[in-house]
Amino acid sequence: RKEVEQDPGPFNVPEGATVAFNCTYSNSASQSFFWYRQDCRKEPKLLMSVYSSGNEDGRFTAQLNRASQYISLLIRDSKLSDSATYLCVVTSAPGGSYIPTFGRGTSLIVHP
Amino acid sequence: GAVVSQHPSRVICKSGTSVKIECRSLDFQATTMFWYRQFPKQSLMLMATSNEGSKATYEQGVEKDKFLINHASLTLSTLTVTSAHPEDSSFYICSARDNYMNTEAFFGQGTRLTVV
Repeated sequence: RKEVEQDPGPFNVPEGATVAFNCTYSNSASQSFFWYRQDCRKEPKLLMSVYSSGNEDGRFTAQLNRASQYISLLIRDSKLSDSATYLCVVTSAPGGSYIPTFGRGTSLIVHP
Repeated sequence: GAVVSQHPSRVICKSGTSVKIECRSLDFQATTMFWYRQFPKQSLMLMATSNEGSKATYEQGVEKDKFLINHASLTLSTLTVTSAHPEDSSFYICSARDNYMNTEAFFGQGTRLTVV
C-alpha cells in the first residue's frame, strides 16, 4: 500500500459546482498534513494546512480524520482558475526528521 | 512568504554530460533541503534529503554517485546529475525548510532537464 494515496481523477466539473477530494495515508504516526496546488509544469504551492479541528479559507475547506487516516479538501463554487492538480502532502518524522511525502495528485478541470 | 530560487529552470544537455542544479533559500535558513523528481503524470518522488553540513540521505533506488548533492551552507544546495542519460530527463524540484521555524517546506521553481 502506498504511503499517500489519491484518486488521480480527472474530476471534470462545471463552474459553480462543489467538488471534494480525499487522500488516505498509511502511517498512523504522521504529524502534519497539507494540500498543495500544482499547475502544469510549475512548482507545487501551498494551498492550506490541515488541522485536526478542520480549517476553512474562503471557498476551500480541509478536514482531517485521524481515526480513518484520511484528509479531505472541499472546494465550493468552483472557478475556472481552480483547474489544477491538487497534491496531498503528509509529513512523518522517522527518527526525529521531517519528511514530506506527496500523493500522486488529483486533477481538477473546471469548465464553463 | 519564504522564497526558494532554483536555477536553471530549463536545461538541455547531451547524453554523458553533467548538469548542476542550484537551489537557494533567499530569506530563511534552509537547514533541510529535499530534492524531488517528477516524471510526466507521476507524483513527486523524493530522491534525497540533506541537512546543512551533512551528507545527504538517499531514497532507495536513487544512485548517490549519479545524483551528487551538496548542502554546504544554510542557503544553498546543489544537485549534480552526472553522466546524464535520456532516462534522467525529468522535472527536478528542490524544497527547503527551516527546522526551527515551522513545518512547511517551500519549493523552488523546478528544473526541466532534457537529455538528448
